[in-house]
Amino acid sequence: EAGVAQSPRYKIIEKRQSVAFWCNPISGHATLYWYQQILGQGPKLLIQFQNNGVVDDSQLPKDRFSAERLKGVDSTLKIQPAKLEDSAVYLCASSLGGQVSSGANVLTFGAGSRLTVL
Amino acid sequence: GNSVTQMEGPVTLSEEAFLTINCTYTATGYPSLFWYVQYPGEGLQLLLKATKADDKGSNKGFEATYRKETTSFHLEKGSVQVSDSAVYFCALHPRGGYNKLIFGAGTRLAVHP
Repeated sequence: EAGVAQSPRYKIIEKRQSVAFWCNPISGHATLYWYQQILGQGPKLLIQFQNNGVVDDSQLPKDRFSAERLKGVDSTLKIQPAKLEDSAVYLCASSLGGQVSSGANVLTFGAGSRLTVL
Repeated sequence: GNSVTQMEGPVTLSEEAFLTINCTYTATGYPSLFWYVQYPGEGLQLLLKATKADDKGSNKGFEATYRKETTSFHLEKGSVQVSDSAVYFCALHPRGGYNKLIFGAGTRLAVHP
């Protein structure tokens, strides 16, 4: 099966500019996640969608970050305006359902989008 | 709160050496535990998992045992290969509710011929 697709792979912007990342999950996967991975740290969940509804966005900096999942398939993550500390890899993942401990609901990650803010 | 602590890297080994990467966790209740691996230029891949105490997860020669008494999930492999060079992440999923994987900081492994 095709994996999780993300684009762009790399993006360099100036601070205060805006950027958008796109994710296409595995077909049929109801749950989609955006993680932020800062260099030297483990991934941190930003937002989780179940179909096209948000189930967890507690760690999303809502003053500058926004995300949507239209029609419960593709998703976009936007940052506006960007800050230096937003430099990170943004990982998209998907799973069949919401309970990750079930064997059927293992997260599959995309290759990530690396953002550098100058 | 829930957290994962991994040994700092990088870990540098010669081919065929024994590998241990330590992972301990703090969680309410009994979480599910995971090891993910990230090869250069690729996304995270699930390596193995354990969902209850004393379970042993294994895959590709790697194994880890869920130890409730020591709140640990150490990753081991008897004989590493150059192709095992990657960053390894320990993660937990708290029991109940929608999943929210909590990751450790990652441990970089470099295996030399």
